[in-house]
Amino acid sequence: DAKTTQPTSMDCAEGRAANLPCNHSTISGNEYVYWYRQIHSQGPQYIIHGLKNNETNEMASLIITEDRKSSTLILPHATLRDTAVYYCIVRPIDNYGQNFVFGPGTRLSVLP
Amino acid sequence: GAGVSQSPSNKVTEKGKDVELRCDPISGHTALYWYRQSLGQGLEFLIYFQGNSAPDKSGLPSDRFSAERTGGSVSTLTIQRTQQEDSAVYLCASSPPSGGADTQYFGPGTRLTVL
Repeated sequence: DAKTTQPTSMDCAEGRAANLPCNHSTISGNEYVYWYRQIHSQGPQYIIHGLKNNETNEMASLIITEDRKSSTLILPHATLRDTAVYYCIVRPIDNYGQNFVFGPGTRLSVLP
Repeated sequence: GAGVSQSPSNKVTEKGKDVELRCDPISGHTALYWYRQSLGQGLEFLIYFQGNSAPDKSGLPSDRFSAERTGGSVSTLTIQRTQQEDSAVYLCASSPPSGGADTQYFGPGTRLTVL
C-alpha cells in the first residue's frame, strides 16, 4: 500500500524547472520521504531523500512542507534524459530491511 | 564507484527449465534485496538479506523460488521449473550498513523471458 499520491503524468519543457508534487498526508514523524526515478528499461535510480528539512544534491532539490504532508521534487533544468517515471515513497527511519513500496509514480515527459 | 551489477542482462528459457540470476552488490553493502517487475507493473518485493541471512522469505511467490547469499556479497536467485508467469525483470538492490535512512541502490535488472 503506497502511502503517497502523485499525478499520473506531467510535461516539462527542456531547460525549464520540473516541479513534481507528492502528497503524503498520513506520514508519521519517523518516516523519511524518498524519491526514485525509473528510466525506461532501467532499474530504479535513487534521487534524494529527506525527513523535515529541505534537501539539495547534484540531481535535485526536495522541498518538504512544514507539516510534512506534502513535498515537491525539483529538477532545476530538465533535460530530455530526465524523461522517466518518478516515485515518491515514505519509509520509516531505522526500519532496516523493509522493502520500498513503489506506487504508480508520475510519468514526466521532458519536451524539446 | 561501481554500482550494483546483475547477470545475465537477458535470459530466455523454456518452460520447465531452471534458471539462476546473479547479483553483485556495491562493495561494503550489507543488505541486499530482490524485487521483480512485470511489464508495466510496479515493483514486487521478493526477499531481503542482511549479511548472509534472509530474515523474511515470505515474499517469494512459490517454493520454486529460492535465494542465497554467500560471503556477505554475491547473491543468486534460483527459479526452478520456470513458468510463463515468471517472465519479468528481476531487480537487485543493496544498501550500506548505516543507521537511519536505508537508501537502496538498484542494479539494471535481468529480463527473464519464459517461452
